[in-house]
Amino acid sequence: QQQVKQSPQSLIVQKGGISIINCAYENTAFDYFPWYQQFPGKGPALLIAIRPDVSEKKEGRFTISFNKSAKQFSLHIMDSQPGDSATYFCAASTQTGTYKYIFGTGTRLKVLA
Amino acid sequence: GAGVSQSPSNKVTEKGKDVELRCDPISGHTALYWYRQSLGQGLEFLIYFQGNSAPDKSGLPSDRFSAERTGGSVSTLTIQRTQQEDSAVYLCASSVSIVGTEAFFGQGTRLTVV
Repeated sequence: QQQVKQSPQSLIVQKGGISIINCAYENTAFDYFPWYQQFPGKGPALLIAIRPDVSEKKEGRFTISFNKSAKQFSLHIMDSQPGDSATYFCAASTQTGTYKYIFGTGTRLKVLA
Repeated sequence: GAGVSQSPSNKVTEKGKDVELRCDPISGHTALYWYRQSLGQGLEFLIYFQGNSAPDKSGLPSDRFSAERTGGSVSTLTIQRTQQEDSAVYLCASSVSIVGTEAFFGQGTRLTVV
């Protein structure tokens, strides 16, 4: 019940295309859903985050779509660029309990020039 | 600096030796997390601190692993009698509070046990 399932494991997209990464969770107590971007040799960095009181959040080319009833959320990268090539992790946490972030297994994105 | 600082950045140790990994969180951040990332894998939760207390140690893989935090700031993760399976990148993160706020990660310590 603590797991966050992420797919796909890897993704190749042409420059200018849309990258879509999906995550699903079971624990309905989760109430904060961030996405992290990680470049090789670096720590993960927060990209965008959403709370379940909204269905969509957009920041620049990055959009989170959230479906509370389906317990799913996804990251959309519009106009994907080679500089977006990185590993993306979804995560979930809760304001109750132990507050730890539960991470998905990651998606390695490669954007072809 | 303004970010989470971890040291050392790389550590090679012989099997059976003890190692200490250090994390300096962002000043004023009360919550501190340790995660482990094995090659090509996701982030595995190890332990979480709120202030100097560790309410959740559920992710520590064995009793060879321990962590402490002093003064509500610096944290040390200690691995005793290291094994080859302990080889991984150990990441530390901190956040302002425990209430669903952004966690900032350090660059990690790459531990190699030979």
